Amino acid sequence: QVQLQESGPGLVKPSQALSLTCTVSGDSSSSGTYYWTWIRQPAGKGLEWIGRIHTNGVTAYNPSLKSRVTISVDPSKNQFSLRVNSVTAADTAVYYCARDRAVAGTFSFDHWGQGTLVTVSS
Amino acid sequence: DIQMTQSPSSLSASVGDRVTITCQASLDINNYLNWYQQKPGKAPNLLIYDASNLETGVPPRFSGSGSGTHFTFTISSLQPEDFATYYCQQYDNFPYTFGQGTKLEIK
Repeated sequence: QVQLQESGPGLVKPSQALSLTCTVSGDSSSSGTYYWTWIRQPAGKGLEWIGRIHTNGVTAYNPSLKSRVTISVDPSKNQFSLRVNSVTAADTAVYYCARDRAVAGTFSFDHWGQGTLVTVSS
Repeated sequence: DIQMTQSPSSLSASVGDRVTITCQASLDINNYLNWYQQKPGKAPNLLIYDASNLETGVPPRFSGSGSGTHFTFTISSLQPEDFATYYCQQYDNFPYTFGQGTKLEIK
Protein backbone atom coordinates (compact mmCIF):
# COMPACT_ATOMS: atom_id res chain seq x y z
CA GLN A 1 0.00 0.00 0.00
CA VAL A 2 1.43 3.33 -1.07
CA GLN A 3 1.82 5.93 1.67
CA LEU A 4 2.69 9.59 1.41
CA GLN A 5 3.89 11.76 4.28
CA GLU A 6 4.40 15.51 4.27
CA SER A 7 7.09 17.14 6.38
CA GLY A 8 8.29 20.67 6.94
CA PRO A 9 7.89 23.74 9.11
CA GLY A 10 4.43 24.52 10.40
CA LEU A 11 5.10 28.24 10.76
CA VAL A 12 6.60 30.53 8.15
CA LYS A 13 7.11 34.28 8.36
CA PRO A 14 5.55 36.57 5.75
CA SER A 15 7.78 37.24 2.71
CA GLN A 16 9.83 34.12 3.41
CA ALA A 17 9.73 30.80 1.57
CA LEU A 18 7.60 27.80 2.46
CA SER A 19 9.29 24.43 1.88
CA LEU A 20 7.69 21.03 2.24
CA THR A 21 8.78 17.51 1.39
CA CYS A 22 6.64 14.49 0.65
CA THR A 23 8.13 11.04 1.25
CA VAL A 24 6.58 8.16 -0.65
CA SER A 25 6.74 4.62 0.70
CA GLY A 26 5.04 1.32 0.20
CA ASP A 27 4.36 -0.60 -2.98
CA SER A 28 7.47 0.17 -5.01
CA SER A 29 6.58 -2.64 -7.39
CA SER A 30 3.44 -0.89 -8.65
CA SER A 31 3.67 -0.20 -12.34
CA GLY A 32 2.06 2.70 -14.06
CA THR A 33 2.46 6.37 -14.76
CA TYR A 34 2.24 8.70 -11.83
CA TYR A 35 2.57 12.42 -11.27
CA TRP A 36 3.47 13.71 -7.83
CA THR A 37 1.19 16.53 -6.82
CA TRP A 38 0.69 19.28 -4.26
CA ILE A 39 -2.78 20.48 -3.28
CA ARG A 40 -3.73 22.93 -0.54
CA GLN A 41 -6.82 23.75 1.45
CA PRO A 42 -7.29 26.89 3.55
CA ALA A 43 -9.24 26.31 6.74
CA GLY A 44 -12.91 25.81 6.03
CA LYS A 45 -12.44 26.22 2.28
CA GLY A 46 -12.08 24.15 -0.83
CA LEU A 47 -9.17 22.44 -2.54
CA GLU A 48 -6.64 24.17 -4.76
CA TRP A 49 -4.31 22.28 -7.09
CA ILE A 50 -0.81 23.76 -6.87
CA GLY A 51 1.05 21.65 -9.40
CA ARG A 52 2.66 18.33 -10.20
CA ILE A 53 5.88 16.69 -11.31
CA HIS A 54 6.79 13.46 -13.05
CA THR A 55 9.90 11.55 -12.08
CA ASN A 56 11.37 12.66 -15.41
CA GLY A 57 11.20 16.22 -14.05
CA VAL A 58 8.37 17.52 -16.22
CA THR A 59 6.21 19.92 -14.23
CA ALA A 60 2.88 21.68 -14.48
CA TYR A 61 1.83 24.53 -12.23
CA ASN A 62 -1.28 26.47 -11.41
CA PRO A 63 -0.87 29.84 -13.18
CA SER A 64 -2.21 31.59 -10.08
CA LEU A 65 0.91 30.48 -8.20
CA LYS A 66 3.35 29.70 -10.97
CA SER A 67 5.65 32.66 -10.44
CA ARG A 68 6.23 31.69 -6.81
CA VAL A 69 6.16 27.88 -6.88
CA THR A 70 8.76 25.23 -7.61
CA ILE A 71 8.16 21.50 -7.39
CA SER A 72 11.16 19.19 -7.52
CA VAL A 73 11.70 15.45 -7.25
CA ASP A 74 14.43 13.18 -5.91
CA PRO A 75 13.62 9.66 -7.09
CA SER A 76 16.62 8.20 -5.23
CA LYS A 77 15.04 9.26 -1.94
CA ASN A 78 11.43 8.63 -3.00
CA GLN A 79 10.73 12.27 -2.24
CA PHE A 80 9.31 15.29 -3.95
CA SER A 81 9.24 18.82 -2.67
CA LEU A 82 7.34 22.10 -2.81
CA ARG A 83 8.73 25.59 -2.46
CA VAL A 84 6.53 28.66 -2.37
CA ASN A 85 8.35 31.98 -2.34
CA SER A 86 7.26 35.30 -0.85
CA VAL A 87 4.44 33.87 1.24
CA THR A 88 1.59 35.91 2.70
CA ALA A 89 -1.23 35.09 5.07
CA ALA A 90 -3.21 33.92 2.03
CA ASP A 91 -0.82 30.95 1.77
CA THR A 92 -1.91 29.66 5.18
CA ALA A 93 -3.49 26.27 4.52
CA VAL A 94 -3.28 22.54 4.97
CA TYR A 95 -0.90 21.29 2.28
CA TYR A 96 -1.42 17.83 0.88
CA CYS A 97 0.84 15.77 -1.30
CA ALA A 98 -0.91 13.27 -3.53
CA ARG A 99 -0.29 10.77 -6.28
CA ASP A 100 -1.93 11.56 -9.61
CA ARG A 101 -2.50 8.21 -11.26
CA ALA A 102 -2.54 8.21 -15.06
CA VAL A 103 -4.33 5.22 -16.57
CA ALA A 104 -5.70 4.95 -20.09
CA GLY A 105 -6.10 8.68 -20.43
CA THR A 106 -7.65 9.18 -17.01
CA PHE A 107 -6.04 11.06 -14.14
CA SER A 108 -7.04 10.86 -10.48
CA PHE A 109 -5.57 11.47 -7.05
CA ASP A 110 -5.63 7.94 -5.70
CA HIS A 111 -3.33 8.32 -2.71
CA TRP A 112 -2.91 11.31 -0.40
CA GLY A 113 -0.73 12.30 2.50
CA GLN A 114 -2.43 13.18 5.76
CA GLY A 115 -1.81 16.87 5.19
CA THR A 116 0.29 19.38 7.07
CA LEU A 117 -0.86 22.76 8.32
CA VAL A 118 1.36 25.66 7.35
CA THR A 119 0.64 29.00 9.00
CA VAL A 120 2.11 32.22 7.67
CA SER A 121 2.53 34.65 10.54
CA SER A 122 5.16 36.86 12.08
CA ASP B 1 -9.54 28.22 -15.62
CA ILE B 2 -12.47 25.82 -15.83
CA GLN B 3 -14.97 26.63 -13.10
CA MET B 4 -16.68 23.74 -11.36
CA THR B 5 -19.97 24.52 -9.64
CA GLN B 6 -21.52 22.02 -7.28
CA SER B 7 -25.06 22.04 -6.01
CA PRO B 8 -26.26 22.05 -3.44
CA SER B 9 -23.52 23.50 -1.23
CA SER B 10 -25.02 21.67 1.74
CA LEU B 11 -27.58 18.96 2.16
CA SER B 12 -29.35 17.36 5.10
CA ALA B 13 -30.43 13.76 4.75
CA SER B 14 -31.21 10.66 6.77
CA VAL B 15 -29.66 7.22 6.88
CA GLY B 16 -31.14 5.17 4.05
CA ASP B 17 -31.92 8.18 1.85
CA ARG B 18 -30.91 8.43 -1.80
CA VAL B 19 -28.82 11.54 -2.36
CA THR B 20 -27.70 13.22 -5.58
CA ILE B 21 -25.14 16.00 -6.01
CA THR B 22 -24.58 17.80 -9.27
CA CYS B 23 -21.44 19.34 -10.71
CA GLN B 24 -21.50 21.78 -13.62
CA ALA B 25 -18.37 22.63 -15.60
CA SER B 26 -17.93 26.01 -17.29
CA LEU B 27 -16.59 24.28 -20.41
CA ASP B 28 -16.99 20.86 -21.99
CA ILE B 29 -14.67 18.54 -20.08
CA ASN B 30 -15.69 15.31 -21.82
CA ASN B 31 -15.87 12.79 -18.98
CA TYR B 32 -12.69 13.97 -17.31
CA LEU B 33 -14.18 14.26 -13.84
CA ASN B 34 -13.51 12.70 -10.46
CA TRP B 35 -15.40 12.65 -7.16
CA TYR B 36 -13.83 12.69 -3.70
CA GLN B 37 -15.11 12.33 -0.15
CA GLN B 38 -13.49 14.30 2.66
CA LYS B 39 -14.13 13.83 6.35
CA PRO B 40 -13.13 16.49 8.92
CA GLY B 41 -9.41 16.58 9.55
CA LYS B 42 -8.70 13.99 6.89
CA ALA B 43 -7.40 14.00 3.34
CA PRO B 44 -9.88 13.54 0.50
CA ASN B 45 -10.55 10.01 -0.68
CA LEU B 46 -11.12 9.09 -4.33
CA LEU B 47 -14.54 7.52 -4.94
CA ILE B 48 -15.28 7.88 -8.66
CA TYR B 49 -12.88 8.51 -11.55
CA ASP B 50 -13.55 9.33 -15.17
CA ALA B 51 -17.10 10.39 -14.27
CA SER B 52 -18.54 6.93 -13.70
CA ASN B 53 -15.84 4.45 -12.72
CA LEU B 54 -15.92 3.19 -9.15
CA GLU B 55 -12.51 3.22 -7.48
CA THR B 56 -11.34 -0.16 -6.18
CA GLY B 57 -12.62 -0.82 -2.68
CA VAL B 58 -15.36 1.81 -2.79
CA PRO B 59 -18.85 0.50 -1.96
CA PRO B 60 -21.25 0.21 -4.91
CA ARG B 61 -23.82 2.49 -3.29
CA PHE B 62 -21.69 5.30 -4.73
CA SER B 63 -22.08 6.07 -8.43
CA GLY B 64 -21.41 8.83 -10.92
CA SER B 65 -22.65 9.77 -14.35
CA GLY B 66 -22.54 12.53 -16.91
CA SER B 67 -20.31 13.98 -19.60
CA GLY B 68 -19.63 17.32 -21.21
CA THR B 69 -20.62 19.96 -18.69
CA HIS B 70 -23.15 18.25 -16.43
CA PHE B 71 -22.36 15.51 -13.95
CA THR B 72 -24.14 13.78 -11.09
CA PHE B 73 -22.96 11.85 -8.07
CA THR B 74 -25.37 9.57 -6.23
CA ILE B 75 -25.37 7.66 -2.98
CA SER B 76 -28.13 5.10 -3.28
CA SER B 77 -28.70 4.46 0.42
CA LEU B 78 -26.92 6.71 2.90
CA GLN B 79 -24.89 5.06 5.62
CA PRO B 80 -23.75 6.78 8.84
CA GLU B 81 -20.15 6.90 7.59
CA ASP B 82 -21.18 8.80 4.44
CA PHE B 83 -21.76 12.10 6.19
CA ALA B 84 -18.87 14.16 4.85
CA THR B 85 -18.02 16.77 2.25
CA TYR B 86 -17.90 15.75 -1.40
CA TYR B 87 -15.88 17.41 -4.16
CA CYS B 88 -15.87 17.09 -7.92
CA GLN B 89 -12.63 17.74 -9.81
CA GLN B 90 -11.88 18.19 -13.50
CA TYR B 91 -8.71 17.09 -15.25
CA ASP B 92 -9.53 18.16 -18.79
CA ASN B 93 -7.27 21.20 -18.61
CA PHE B 94 -4.61 22.70 -16.40
CA PRO B 95 -5.02 23.96 -13.82
CA TYR B 96 -6.99 21.08 -12.40
CA THR B 97 -9.92 22.59 -10.50
CA PHE B 98 -12.32 21.42 -7.83
CA GLY B 99 -15.90 22.25 -7.07
CA GLN B 100 -16.53 24.22 -3.91
CA GLY B 101 -17.77 21.13 -2.11
CA THR B 102 -21.10 19.75 -0.90
CA LYS B 103 -21.42 19.17 2.82
CA LEU B 104 -23.71 16.26 3.58
CA GLU B 105 -25.15 16.45 7.06
CA ILE B 106 -27.39 14.26 9.16
CA LYS B 107 -31.03 15.38 9.28
